[in-house]
Amino acid sequence: DQQVKQNSPSLSVQEGRISILNCDYTNSMFDYFLWYKKYPAEGPTFLISISSIKDKNEDGRFTVFLNKSAKHLSLHIVPSQPGDSAVYFCALGNQAGTALIFGKGTTLSVSS
Amino acid sequence: NAGVMQNPRHLVRRRGQEARLRCSPVKGHSHVYWYRQLPEEGLKFMVYLQKENIIDESGMPKERFSAEFPKEGPSILRIQQVVRGDSAAYFCASSPYAGADNEQFFGPGTRLTVL
Repeated sequence: DQQVKQNSPSLSVQEGRISILNCDYTNSMFDYFLWYKKYPAEGPTFLISISSIKDKNEDGRFTVFLNKSAKHLSLHIVPSQPGDSAVYFCALGNQAGTALIFGKGTTLSVSS
Repeated sequence: NAGVMQNPRHLVRRRGQEARLRCSPVKGHSHVYWYRQLPEEGLKFMVYLQKENIIDESGMPKERFSAEFPKEGPSILRIQQVVRGDSAAYFCASSPYAGADNEQFFGPGTRLTVL
């Protein structure tokens, strides 16, 4: 029973182009949405987040969009750089809660 | 300015042995979380602890697994009588406060291999 789905296991993008990573969820109880980035043999690193009262949050090259009615979250990276190549996990949680629920991840490869 | 530290980074155990995984949170963080990542899967929450207290263990298997976060020292995730299915990467995270709006800082993980 997957509460969080990242339907694309992998994504390949050319340097300078936009990378769009997607995440769908099933439960409306979540009120905080996060993206983590993970390199091999390292732990996940927080990238960007958004609360349920917003529909967009931007931080430099990274923008997260939230569509609550569609229960859909996306991360846009523009322009993409080779150093962005990593596994990206979306994670959902509650401001009042503790555990984060993670998707399976999307492996992004940015070629130069 | 150390982040979350986990040791050992790699642990090999034979079936039936015990595995002890240690996690030292970011200095000043009193909230610790353990997650497990099976191959080709996302991270799955196991347990959330504050100093000396287990707050949420809804993700912990009912048997063989236990966790503690003593007043002094690191948090320990203990797996008794390991089986092959316990082979995974175990990540610890810490935060200064509870709630998803407080960033959880992750350690590099312990990769457990059960032979």
